[in-house]
Amino acid sequence: KNEVEQSPQNLTAQEGEFITINCSYSVGISALHWLQQHPGGGIVSLFMLSSGKKKHGRLIATINIQEKHSSLHITASHPRDSAVYICVIGVNTGNQFYFGTGTSLTVIP
Amino acid sequence: NAGVMQNPRHLVRRRGQEARLRCSPMKGHSHVYWYRQLPEEGLKFMVYLQKENIIDESGMPKERFSAEFPKEGPSILRIQQVVRGDSAAYFCASSFFQETQYFGPGTRLLVL
Repeated sequence: KNEVEQSPQNLTAQEGEFITINCSYSVGISALHWLQQHPGGGIVSLFMLSSGKKKHGRLIATINIQEKHSSLHITASHPRDSAVYICVIGVNTGNQFYFGTGTSLTVIP
Repeated sequence: NAGVMQNPRHLVRRRGQEARLRCSPMKGHSHVYWYRQLPEEGLKFMVYLQKENIIDESGMPKERFSAEFPKEGPSILRIQQVVRGDSAAYFCASSFFQETQYFGPGTRLLVL
């Protein structure tokens, strides 16, 4: 059983749509990260959360510690948002990390 | 402020050779993490280091792999006697204490 489950695995959206990617985990965490991996392989860290909600531009990340669940939202999606989005949990005071399998997002113009 | 630097970006080795991957963290960052992404698979944690200390190496294969982060210079991930299964993208990230991690561009290792 994976410690981190993401859904959906693949997502295709029309430009402008509101997008939600979900992440559920099964262990106690110190923090949860959302990463973006571009088609060329480069990785960008989007958010690090331990509670509540964070917003950066068109991206919003929320976490519910009691339900062990986090969501990443993209408002007014754009083709340049096409990438793989990866949920990562940090456990054991942040020393170890478990990765979700990623959600591959394609935004069509 | 330069980002996380990794070199080489691409490395080709024959089976049995050694591979050395380097990671220079962002200025002011003393925490370095190494991850491996096997072809068609997700990222996996390998090792977490602070200057001169290995904090957690639970994700490192027990044999042939080692990592260091000396007081001066980059962090090094060393793979001895490489095998075809070591072919992967190796990413390094750095942080200031245990905060947001900044990723390097990765080193693509190909073992022939």
